[in-house]
Amino acid sequence: GAVVSQHPSWVICKSGTSVKIECRSLDFQATTMFWYRQFPKQSLMLMATSNEGSKATYEQGVEKDKFLINHASLTLSTLTVTSAHPEDSSFYICSAKVPSNQPQHFGDGTRLSIL
Amino acid sequence: KNEVEQSPQNLTAQEGEFITINCSYSVGISALHWLQQHPGGGIVSLFMLSSGKKKHGRLIATINIQEKHSSLHITASHPRDSAVYICAVGWWGKLTFGTGTRLTIIP
Repeated sequence: GAVVSQHPSWVICKSGTSVKIECRSLDFQATTMFWYRQFPKQSLMLMATSNEGSKATYEQGVEKDKFLINHASLTLSTLTVTSAHPEDSSFYICSAKVPSNQPQHFGDGTRLSIL
Repeated sequence: KNEVEQSPQNLTAQEGEFITINCSYSVGISALHWLQQHPGGGIVSLFMLSSGKKKHGRLIATINIQEKHSSLHITASHPRDSAVYICAVGWWGKLTFGTGTRLTIIP
């Protein structure tokens, strides 16, 4: 079946660093991918919708200049956390939307820790 | 009030028991999803449904659109079913998530 690969799975870095997370659809083309964030003991929250070839759509309260999303091809979307700070430490997960009435496919997530 | 409410928040049961997790929502949806999240964080889609009932192995999901309510059932539960089960409602792909139900099955 369809698989979504997310990389890296775990990142620890210093405050002020920028971190890039990749989300790839391995055996299908995904015109739309979604980026979510999950803080400890909280629900997943949609951050943004990534559309191939166009600008991402951000949810209210998510800073587009801080969380840069690029969806340059039908199989790859990237999320870059710029100048990360400890409060950005979270679990980030992507999903890819497949055509018509099929469930989204999720990546395995990236656990980001900013020191 | 959250748009998606799940109950119970935590559930511990003996192996073999029949499990029911409930989800109520308050917004319009195009589909409802049941997801399984394991300790490492990875998420697996179990069901996507917009009406009626679906069955996959020991898992059954039902939805009542009029009552805005869905249930996930697990028959003959097994320790490997231990995970967080998340209900999410979707509007053409954009999902809103419940807080999850942490299920622990004791051997």
